[in-house]
Amino acid sequence: AQSVSQHNHHVILSEAASLELGCNYSYGGTVNLFWYVQYPGQHLQLLLKYFSGDPLVKGIKGFEAEFIKSKFSFNLRKPSVQWSDTAEYFCAVNLPNTGTASKLTFGTGTRLQVTL
Amino acid sequence: EPEVTQTPSHQVTQMGQEVILRCVPISNHLYFYWYRQILGQKVEFLVSFYNNEISEKSEIFDDQFSVERPDGSNFTLKIRSTKLEDSAMYFCASRGGGASGYTFGSGTRLTVV
Repeated sequence: AQSVSQHNHHVILSEAASLELGCNYSYGGTVNLFWYVQYPGQHLQLLLKYFSGDPLVKGIKGFEAEFIKSKFSFNLRKPSVQWSDTAEYFCAVNLPNTGTASKLTFGTGTRLQVTL
Repeated sequence: EPEVTQTPSHQVTQMGQEVILRCVPISNHLYFYWYRQILGQKVEFLVSFYNNEISEKSEIFDDQFSVERPDGSNFTLKIRSTKLEDSAMYFCASRGGGASGYTFGSGTRLTVV
């Protein structure tokens, strides 16, 4: 079964600092990869996804992620964070060829706190 | 933008009672899911549903849980006899075909007392 690891549990940054959140998955075959954000008290919102093609994926709110197949990684980046980026960030993976209703498997999440 | 709608937003129930959590997925989506998130923990898969039947369920989804799509619009999760450890945020999600992403509802916070 696939699993997702997010090694940074809590990250504290000042506004305008650069952000990189790590995500690694364990599965040797083809995967689809996602980053979701959960603002305090709100539901999960899709930041970006990778299915195929250019491994550098651009998402909403200035976020991007790079798929590095050899490292089984899909790290999330943002050049300059804002206070409003304070939220929990979840990496997730699904296996596209395992059935018609393939589930998402989530990492444990990274809590990002941006200070003014 | 189309949304997945969940009701109620918060439900408090006594241990041993039955609860039904309701979801209205995006109308042209084909695949439906329930996830839960215990406070401070990660989002866990419960069950997936396609073509009017369960596609996959996790170990969490035992005999106390059931899902239904009774009218082609709503997608419900029933917990027959709630336990304290069922307290969590329950998220419904739906997905279209092909390379579409998953859209999540805003969740139902279930508190079992």
